[in-house]
Amino acid sequence: NAGVMQNPRHLVRRRGQEARLRCSPMKGHSHVYWYRQLPEEGLKFMVYLQKENIIDESGMPKERFSAEFPKEGPSILRIQQVVRGDSAAYFCASSPAPGQGGQETQYFGPGTRLLVL
Amino acid sequence: GENVEQHPSTLSVQEGDSAVIKCTYSDSASNYFPWYKQELGKRPQLIIDIRSNVGEKKDQRIAVTLNKTAKHFSLHITETQPEDSAVYFCAASIRGGFKTIFGAGTRLFVKA
Repeated sequence: NAGVMQNPRHLVRRRGQEARLRCSPMKGHSHVYWYRQLPEEGLKFMVYLQKENIIDESGMPKERFSAEFPKEGPSILRIQQVVRGDSAAYFCASSPAPGQGGQETQYFGPGTRLLVL
Repeated sequence: GENVEQHPSTLSVQEGDSAVIKCTYSDSASNYFPWYKQELGKRPQLIIDIRSNVGEKKDQRIAVTLNKTAKHFSLHITETQPEDSAVYFCAASIRGGFKTIFGAGTRLFVKA
């Protein structure tokens, strides 16, 4: 049973370019979460998605950031017109079915380290 | 809004000693409390979790306690080893995981 997959593992972009980060949840998991981690800091919640549905995007910046989890394929976190402050590690996590006892544990992917030059 | 505070931010212990990390949460609706260990450059990995219907849980050298009245929970690591050195994050999950708030992390150093 493969774990949570993220790609790319490292991404370098110049200011103004777009960054696309992909996350494939664990098999059997239908819920995906995205977090941002700055160096030496904690995990900041960004967005929580189910297939074809954004459940909670309260942690997502209002501009330039968007996320989707289509019916087929991975979840994608998209950052438009990147700036240096976007440089961080972006982690994706998945869980089976929050709200049901014992189904809320989140398992993390290896992260994508974004560097904006 | 929801908040999870974690202390200390850095903890240094001698190999074989115990380490305790404490967290408090603000939302009384929180009902699930996982702990993650993150080694340098790697993903956070779940090491233990506790639900609000129990007060304590133990797994070998690791234990977690929960005080719902005071809204705080703690991680206890006994007989620490150098490989326990990492950043540890507590988290509080609201409504069974719909939203998980992480603490800022504790950097644990275990000196051989």
